[in-house]
Amino acid sequence: AQSVTQPDIHITVSEGASLELRCNYSYGATPYLFWYVQSPGQGLQLLLKYFSGDTLVQGIKGFEAEFKRSQSSFNLRKPSVHWSDAAEYFCAVAPGGGNKLTFGTGTQLKVEL
Amino acid sequence: SQTIHQWPATLVQPVGSPLSLECTVEGTSNPNLYWYRQAAGRGLQLLFYSVGIGQISSEVPQNLSASRPQDRQFILSSKKLLLSDSGFYLCAWSRTGEITEAFFGQGTRLTVV
Repeated sequence: AQSVTQPDIHITVSEGASLELRCNYSYGATPYLFWYVQSPGQGLQLLLKYFSGDTLVQGIKGFEAEFKRSQSSFNLRKPSVHWSDAAEYFCAVAPGGGNKLTFGTGTQLKVEL
Repeated sequence: SQTIHQWPATLVQPVGSPLSLECTVEGTSNPNLYWYRQAAGRGLQLLFYSVGIGQISSEVPQNLSASRPQDRQFILSSKKLLLSDSGFYLCAWSRTGEITEAFFGQGTRLTVV
Protein backbone atom coordinates (compact mmCIF):
# COMPACT_ATOMS: atom_id res chain seq x y z
CA ALA A 1 0.00 0.00 0.00
CA GLN A 2 1.11 3.52 -0.68
CA SER A 3 2.13 5.90 2.08
CA VAL A 4 3.24 9.49 2.43
CA THR A 5 5.61 10.96 4.97
CA GLN A 6 5.88 14.62 5.80
CA PRO A 7 8.73 14.70 8.31
CA ASP A 8 8.23 18.28 9.45
CA ILE A 9 5.17 18.81 11.64
CA HIS A 10 5.82 22.52 12.14
CA ILE A 11 7.95 24.98 10.19
CA THR A 12 8.46 28.66 10.92
CA VAL A 13 9.94 31.02 8.35
CA SER A 14 10.30 34.76 8.10
CA GLU A 15 8.30 36.63 5.52
CA GLY A 16 10.33 36.95 2.34
CA ALA A 17 12.44 33.89 3.10
CA SER A 18 12.44 30.81 0.92
CA LEU A 19 10.48 27.72 1.84
CA GLU A 20 10.82 24.01 1.25
CA LEU A 21 8.37 21.49 2.62
CA ARG A 22 9.42 17.89 2.42
CA CYS A 23 7.35 14.97 1.21
CA ASN A 24 8.43 11.37 0.72
CA TYR A 25 6.20 8.69 -0.67
CA SER A 26 6.21 4.95 -0.82
CA TYR A 27 4.64 3.37 -3.85
CA GLY A 28 5.82 0.64 -6.15
CA ALA A 29 4.88 2.20 -9.48
CA THR A 30 4.59 5.67 -10.92
CA PRO A 31 2.72 7.76 -8.41
CA TYR A 32 0.36 10.63 -8.96
CA LEU A 33 1.37 13.33 -6.51
CA PHE A 34 -0.41 16.36 -5.11
CA TRP A 35 0.11 19.23 -2.74
CA TYR A 36 -2.88 20.78 -1.00
CA VAL A 37 -3.14 23.75 1.34
CA GLN A 38 -5.66 24.17 4.14
CA SER A 39 -6.47 27.38 5.97
CA PRO A 40 -7.87 26.98 9.51
CA GLY A 41 -11.35 25.50 9.54
CA GLN A 42 -11.48 25.28 5.77
CA GLY A 43 -11.39 22.64 3.10
CA LEU A 44 -8.34 21.79 1.03
CA GLN A 45 -7.22 23.70 -2.02
CA LEU A 46 -5.02 22.12 -4.65
CA LEU A 47 -1.67 23.86 -5.10
CA LEU A 48 -0.19 21.63 -7.77
CA LYS A 49 -0.05 18.10 -9.09
CA TYR A 50 2.34 15.77 -10.88
CA PHE A 51 1.14 13.03 -13.18
CA SER A 52 3.95 12.68 -15.72
CA GLY A 53 6.36 14.67 -17.86
CA ASP A 54 8.43 17.54 -16.58
CA THR A 55 9.48 16.74 -13.04
CA LEU A 56 9.35 20.39 -11.97
CA VAL A 57 5.74 21.50 -11.74
CA GLN A 58 4.40 24.95 -11.18
CA GLY A 59 1.34 25.65 -9.11
CA ILE A 60 -0.77 28.46 -7.87
CA LYS A 61 0.34 31.20 -5.48
CA GLY A 62 3.96 30.97 -6.67
CA PHE A 63 4.56 27.42 -5.44
CA GLU A 64 6.48 24.75 -7.29
CA ALA A 65 7.41 21.16 -6.56
CA GLU A 66 9.97 18.78 -7.94
CA PHE A 67 9.44 15.06 -8.39
CA LYS A 68 12.58 13.04 -7.73
CA ARG A 69 12.01 9.39 -8.41
CA SER A 70 15.43 8.34 -7.08
CA GLN A 71 14.63 9.90 -3.73
CA SER A 72 10.90 9.12 -3.72
CA SER A 73 10.32 12.77 -2.95
CA PHE A 74 8.02 15.54 -4.03
CA ASN A 75 9.14 18.61 -2.12
CA LEU A 76 7.21 21.86 -2.25
CA ARG A 77 9.08 25.14 -2.64
CA LYS A 78 8.46 28.84 -2.77
CA PRO A 79 11.21 31.43 -3.31
CA SER A 80 9.69 34.13 -1.11
CA VAL A 81 7.03 33.42 1.49
CA HIS A 82 4.19 35.84 2.18
CA TRP A 83 2.38 36.13 5.52
CA SER A 84 -0.77 34.86 3.82
CA ASP A 85 0.98 31.53 3.14
CA ALA A 86 0.60 30.56 6.78
CA ALA A 87 -1.53 27.42 6.67
CA GLU A 88 -1.27 23.65 6.80
CA TYR A 89 0.15 21.86 3.81
CA PHE A 90 -0.60 18.30 2.81
CA CYS A 91 1.18 16.05 0.38
CA ALA A 92 -0.86 13.25 -1.15
CA VAL A 93 -0.35 10.32 -3.48
CA ALA A 94 -2.79 8.40 -5.63
CA PRO A 95 -1.96 5.02 -7.11
CA GLY A 96 -1.91 4.75 -10.87
CA GLY A 97 -5.39 4.00 -12.19
CA GLY A 98 -7.20 5.12 -9.07
CA ASN A 99 -8.38 8.32 -7.48
CA LYS A 100 -8.23 7.53 -3.79
CA LEU A 101 -5.71 9.82 -2.18
CA THR A 102 -3.39 8.90 0.65
CA PHE A 103 -2.36 11.96 2.60
CA GLY A 104 0.60 12.79 4.75
CA THR A 105 0.06 14.10 8.25
CA GLY A 106 0.61 17.66 7.16
CA THR A 107 3.09 20.45 7.85
CA GLN A 108 1.92 23.52 9.71
CA LEU A 109 3.60 26.62 8.33
CA LYS A 110 3.98 29.73 10.45
CA VAL A 111 5.22 32.95 8.90
CA GLU A 112 6.92 35.52 11.07
CA LEU A 113 6.61 39.15 10.04
CA SER B 1 -18.22 25.22 -13.18
CA GLN B 2 -18.38 22.57 -10.51
CA THR B 3 -19.10 23.27 -6.88
CA ILE B 4 -19.32 21.12 -3.79
CA HIS B 5 -21.50 21.94 -0.83
CA GLN B 6 -21.15 20.40 2.58
CA TRP B 7 -23.26 21.07 5.65
CA PRO B 8 -23.52 21.83 8.43
CA ALA B 9 -20.27 23.69 9.01
CA THR B 10 -20.23 22.90 12.71
CA LEU B 11 -22.14 20.43 14.80
CA VAL B 12 -22.19 19.57 18.49
CA GLN B 13 -23.90 16.32 19.29
CA PRO B 14 -24.28 14.27 22.48
CA VAL B 15 -22.87 10.80 22.75
CA GLY B 16 -25.36 8.23 21.53
CA SER B 17 -27.22 10.61 19.23
CA PRO B 18 -27.55 10.02 15.46
CA LEU B 19 -25.58 11.85 12.80
CA SER B 20 -26.27 12.92 9.27
CA LEU B 21 -23.83 15.01 7.25
CA GLU B 22 -24.71 15.87 3.70
CA CYS B 23 -22.62 16.68 0.68
CA THR B 24 -23.78 17.62 -2.80
CA VAL B 25 -21.89 18.34 -5.99
CA GLU B 26 -23.11 20.59 -8.78
CA GLY B 27 -21.97 21.03 -12.34
CA THR B 28 -20.81 17.51 -13.06
CA SER B 29 -22.30 14.06 -13.43
CA ASN B 30 -21.31 10.66 -12.10
CA PRO B 31 -18.50 11.94 -9.90
CA ASN B 32 -16.45 9.81 -7.58
CA LEU B 33 -17.33 10.89 -4.05
CA TYR B 34 -15.31 10.63 -0.85
CA TRP B 35 -15.63 11.17 2.88
CA TYR B 36 -12.44 11.94 4.79
CA ARG B 37 -11.89 12.54 8.47
CA GLN B 38 -9.18 14.78 9.76
CA ALA B 39 -7.85 14.44 13.29
CA ALA B 40 -5.23 16.73 14.75
CA GLY B 41 -1.74 15.60 13.80
CA ARG B 42 -3.02 12.62 11.86
CA GLY B 43 -3.66 13.98 8.40
CA LEU B 44 -6.69 12.94 6.43
CA GLN B 45 -8.07 9.45 6.61
CA LEU B 46 -10.30 8.15 3.84
CA LEU B 47 -13.49 6.76 5.34
CA PHE B 48 -15.71 5.99 2.34
CA TYR B 49 -15.70 6.39 -1.37
CA SER B 50 -18.35 5.88 -4.02
CA VAL B 51 -18.14 5.41 -7.77
CA GLY B 52 -21.90 5.46 -8.35
CA ILE B 53 -25.37 5.50 -6.84
CA GLY B 54 -25.68 2.92 -4.12
CA GLN B 55 -22.02 1.88 -4.49
CA ILE B 56 -20.13 2.49 -1.27
CA SER B 57 -16.73 1.22 -0.24
CA SER B 58 -15.59 1.47 3.34
CA GLU B 59 -11.91 1.97 3.96
CA VAL B 60 -11.81 1.53 7.72
CA PRO B 61 -14.04 -0.25 10.21
CA GLN B 62 -15.89 2.27 12.31
CA ASN B 63 -19.11 3.53 13.79
CA LEU B 64 -20.06 5.41 10.64
CA SER B 65 -21.81 4.58 7.40
CA ALA B 66 -22.27 6.33 4.07
CA SER B 67 -24.96 6.37 1.45
CA ARG B 68 -25.34 7.78 -2.05
CA PRO B 69 -29.04 8.05 -2.77
CA GLN B 70 -28.56 10.29 -5.81
CA ASP B 71 -25.77 10.76 -8.32
CA ARG B 72 -24.40 13.89 -6.73
CA GLN B 73 -25.41 13.40 -3.12
CA PHE B 74 -23.27 11.72 -0.49
CA ILE B 75 -24.37 11.29 3.12
CA LEU B 76 -22.35 10.31 6.17
CA SER B 77 -24.35 8.81 9.01
CA SER B 78 -24.18 7.22 12.38
CA LYS B 79 -26.88 5.66 14.50
CA LYS B 80 -25.10 6.35 17.79
CA LEU B 81 -22.19 8.74 18.03
CA LEU B 82 -19.12 8.00 20.11
CA LEU B 83 -16.73 10.52 21.62
CA SER B 84 -14.09 9.22 19.24
CA ASP B 85 -16.20 10.32 16.27
CA SER B 86 -15.29 13.93 16.94
CA GLY B 87 -13.24 15.48 14.19
CA PHE B 88 -13.27 17.47 11.00
CA TYR B 89 -15.10 15.73 8.18
CA LEU B 90 -14.42 16.57 4.58
CA CYS B 91 -16.36 15.57 1.51
CA ALA B 92 -14.59 15.50 -1.83
CA TRP B 93 -15.28 14.60 -5.44
CA SER B 94 -13.22 13.71 -8.48
CA ARG B 95 -13.99 13.04 -12.12
CA THR B 96 -14.73 9.51 -13.20
CA GLY B 97 -12.58 7.70 -15.70
CA GLU B 98 -9.44 9.75 -15.41
CA ILE B 99 -6.75 10.46 -12.89
CA THR B 100 -7.44 13.89 -11.51
CA GLU B 101 -7.21 15.76 -8.31
CA ALA B 102 -9.95 15.66 -5.70
CA PHE B 103 -11.98 18.78 -4.96
CA PHE B 104 -12.92 19.35 -1.36
CA GLY B 105 -15.85 20.88 0.46
CA GLN B 106 -15.40 23.31 3.32
CA GLY B 107 -15.72 20.62 5.96
CA THR B 108 -17.87 19.95 9.03
CA ARG B 109 -16.44 20.30 12.52
CA LEU B 110 -18.16 17.62 14.61
CA THR B 111 -17.83 17.67 18.38
CA VAL B 112 -19.35 14.81 20.31
CA VAL B 113 -19.93 15.70 23.95
